Amino acid sequence: EDQVTQSPEALRLQEGESSSLNCSYTVSGLRGLFWYRQDPGKGPEFLFTLYSAGEEKEKERLKATLTKKESFLHITAPKPEDSATYLCAVQRYSSASKIIFGSGTRLSIRP
Amino acid sequence: NAGVTQTPKFQVLKTGQSMTLQCAQDMNHNSMYWYRQDPGMGLRLIYYSASEGTTDKGEVPNGYNVSRLNKREFSLRLESAAPSQTSVYFCASRNTSTYNEQFFGPGTRLTVL
Repeated sequence: EDQVTQSPEALRLQEGESSSLNCSYTVSGLRGLFWYRQDPGKGPEFLFTLYSAGEEKEKERLKATLTKKESFLHITAPKPEDSATYLCAVQRYSSASKIIFGSGTRLSIRP
Repeated sequence: NAGVTQTPKFQVLKTGQSMTLQCAQDMNHNSMYWYRQDPGMGLRLIYYSASEGTTDKGEVPNGYNVSRLNKREFSLRLESAAPSQTSVYFCASRNTSTYNEQFFGPGTRLTVL
C-alpha cells in the first residue's frame, strides 16, 4: 500500500527564518513526486515535479529535493505571503494515473 | 481557458438524499480525478479516470459512483448521502506532458445533515 507522510503537521516561522518541510513515502516504483501549494478556500496549485533521486527544482524562495525515501521542500527567507498548506503527492509507474497525496504541512509566516 | 470548473460551489443535503457533482475541463487532458478534503487533512482520492471510457477506484470509493461522460466531463454521484460525506470535493485533470501536473477546480463544499 502506498503511503505518503508529511511532517510537521504545522509550522510557524518568523519572516526570514528558513526551514524545511518533509515528505516521506513508501511507494513501489516511484514515477514522480509532486509538490503543491494550497491557500485557504482554494484548490491546490502545482509547484514542482521530481522524477529521480538527487533531482532539485527551485522557484523563488522554494527548493524541492528528492531522495529514494523522502523529499524536502526548503523555504529560504520566507515572507508572510508564503503562508499556505503545502502538499506532496506520489505517482507509481505501475499505475501512472493514480496520484496519492499526503496530509500536508500548514505553514504560517509571522511578519 | 476556464481550466477546471465545478458545480455547484456549495450544497446542503439531508441524510439519504442524492446528488451529482459536475466537473469539466477545457485543457484536453486525458486523466481526471475526484478527491475529498476534510478539515486539517490532505486530499484523499475517491475515483479517477485515466482516459475517456475508463474509471478506477481510489482510496475511499465507498458511497460514491462516477461517470466519465466524455473527455471533458467527469461527474461524481452520491446515491444516499451520509453525514460522513460532509467534505470539500475537488476535481482535477492531469497534464501528461513534461511536468505531469494536476490542475484543480475551486471545490464544492458539501454538508450532509
